[in-house]
Amino acid sequence: DAKTTQPTSMDCAEGRAANLPCNHSTISGNEYVYWYRQIHSQGPQYIIHGLKNNETNEMASLIITEDRKSSTLILPHATLRDTAVYYCIVRVKGEYGNKLVFGAGTILRVKS
Amino acid sequence: GAVVSQHPSRVICKSGTSVKIECRSLDFQATTMFWYRQFPKQSLMLMATSNEGSKATYEQGVEKDKFLINHASLTLSTLTVTSAHPEDSSFYICSARAGAHSGFTEAFFGQGTRLTVV
Repeated sequence: DAKTTQPTSMDCAEGRAANLPCNHSTISGNEYVYWYRQIHSQGPQYIIHGLKNNETNEMASLIITEDRKSSTLILPHATLRDTAVYYCIVRVKGEYGNKLVFGAGTILRVKS
Repeated sequence: GAVVSQHPSRVICKSGTSVKIECRSLDFQATTMFWYRQFPKQSLMLMATSNEGSKATYEQGVEKDKFLINHASLTLSTLTVTSAHPEDSSFYICSARAGAHSGFTEAFFGQGTRLTVV
């Protein structure tokens, strides 16, 4: 059911920007893209979401291509604590409204 | 962000017994709650969705008689694993979402419950 594909893993140097790509080529016009991350043995943490426009908050920036078939999550200055599994999710329609179906995610390792 | 609390964080139970896991939204009213299961080194798998006061909707392949979900109030949902077996050992995670009127469009997750069946 997951509608996204992400690289299995990525490495990033501490203090540098981490750019995590995501493909969602079958996304529909009114479907949002969500990003969550999960640090080992914890519940997922919300990062950011968007529909068409680029979004920025205190944690990250989300760049969505004009055709909406892919997006990139940017952590501007990665720290060791950003090491986690990052999930790109397209919200899908369920019986009780929208639901989040997780794909495999990207393991981001931030190294000193 | 909003806070979702799960209890217990860890539980060990004997095979054949039932275990109840609670999920509470602490600072918002959750009209919809979701239950996920996660096996080691795997992604989260959605088990079921529930709306307050309604029966849960289960994903394909999830046994509704084994995983009983009750969403009796806007701040509490429970998952009961009935007649647990070792293969039910997993990390169970709940998620809660406020109604459309709240302005929240994201779902917030609990910290998870590690269930071990011996």
